[in-house]
Amino acid sequence: DAGITQSPRYKITETGRQVTLMCHQTWSHSYMFWYRQDLGHGLRLIYYSAAADITDKGEVPDGYVVSRSKTENFPLTLESATRSQTSVYFCASSESKGNGDTQYFGPGTRLTVL
Amino acid sequence: AQKVTQAQTEISVVEKEDVTLDCVYETRDTTYYLFWYKQPPSGELVFLIRRNSFDEQNEISGRYSWNFQKSTSSFNFTITASQVVDSAVYFCALSEWDNYGQNFVFGPGTRLSVLP
Repeated sequence: DAGITQSPRYKITETGRQVTLMCHQTWSHSYMFWYRQDLGHGLRLIYYSAAADITDKGEVPDGYVVSRSKTENFPLTLESATRSQTSVYFCASSESKGNGDTQYFGPGTRLTVL
Repeated sequence: AQKVTQAQTEISVVEKEDVTLDCVYETRDTTYYLFWYKQPPSGELVFLIRRNSFDEQNEISGRYSWNFQKSTSSFNFTITASQVVDSAVYFCALSEWDNYGQNFVFGPGTRLSVLP
């Protein structure tokens, strides 16, 4: 199916473990984004990518690592998960980072760190 | 600095009532874009509308309408004859250009409950 998908949809892990959240889009959009959604904070940008092999930090990048070896994939890795990283994670994509380009979101991954 | 304020944390209405969700933004740019997204209970974020700062015409799409007023920095969203399926969290977002490209900021959201 065309669009933007995320996997897994739900993940429970333990403090200190490494976990990777996957994001895949079929639109060939140049830009991809990772947000986390927390009560009281709304949506906050973690990292974004302008193209393959080009990534940059957002508002809350600490504790996260991203890569983008292929245009369609943008995985987010928590190298050593902490309880404060319990959140809902959304991946998004847009055609460009030009002003006004709409970001389209994936279904989200609910991550719980015990 | 930019900021998006949605002062209404939660709103409850009875089906068929009209409801307006408020969005107030702050920006120093003259060129910017405003968005509304809907997040139903299933959790996905659904794009509803995009409006640029040079277009102050109100927009209507079925039961949805948007009122953009630059003079008050507001971009309010009205649902006419609300339905239970409208129950969701609604986010307003602001996009403006900086040296690195688009800077996208979401408001905290308004939770709308439409009761049968």
